Amino acid sequence: EVQLLESGGGLVQPGGSLRLSCEASGFIFADSAMSWVRQAPGKGLEWVSGIHGGRVETFYGDAVKGRSTISRDNSRNTLILEMNTLRVDDTAVYYCAKSDGSYRLNEADFWGQGTLVIVS
Amino acid sequence: QSVLTQPPSVSAAPGQKVTISCSGSSSNIGINYVSWYQQLPGTAPTLHIYENDKRPSGIPDRFSGSKSGMSATLVITGLQTGDEADYYCGSWDNNLRVVLFGGGTKLTVL
Repeated sequence: EVQLLESGGGLVQPGGSLRLSCEASGFIFADSAMSWVRQAPGKGLEWVSGIHGGRVETFYGDAVKGRSTISRDNSRNTLILEMNTLRVDDTAVYYCAKSDGSYRLNEADFWGQGTLVIVS
Repeated sequence: QSVLTQPPSVSAAPGQKVTISCSGSSSNIGINYVSWYQQLPGTAPTLHIYENDKRPSGIPDRFSGSKSGMSATLVITGLQTGDEADYYCGSWDNNLRVVLFGGGTKLTVL
């Protein structure tokens, strides 16, 4: 059974930093592209960042580019998102999502339950 | 950052059919696959359509997708009250090198 378990959310002050983790199981993590997608309260989905499963190429949305780093530890089946210089508008539920294949960031076939980040 | 364009809401009666559109540009929908996600209230999104018109296992054939040019469409037939949800389209953008989502469409089954 595929499982994605996010952690690291909570209350953070503006200007602060956070480190989100996503522990994966039930599939070959190293072969899967992974993404972080967020959803502000009452708003739509916003893709934050993604990382390929193969060459480990990384991508970032404009809202977090320059202040975020996505990484993966394939030996521990863990996806990481580090964000700094947090702003009030970073407040959102952050979802970890897997793709079927090493490069298909657009096709997130399984999502975690999300972790809430509040910047205040 | 630009998003794909969806109608904010659609509605139809149980048993009827509804269509949700998603409009993009030549750098995203025009040359890349489109995915569709359903998000039930208070839950994480689930993939319902990938590669424009394919259904993951477990998704009923009442859900179908298509793409033409720079637009995509999700069609849901035989509407059920359990289909009430927010629906999002998504596509990779070659210029921006990001995944773009539509703003979401709230489906109400009257």
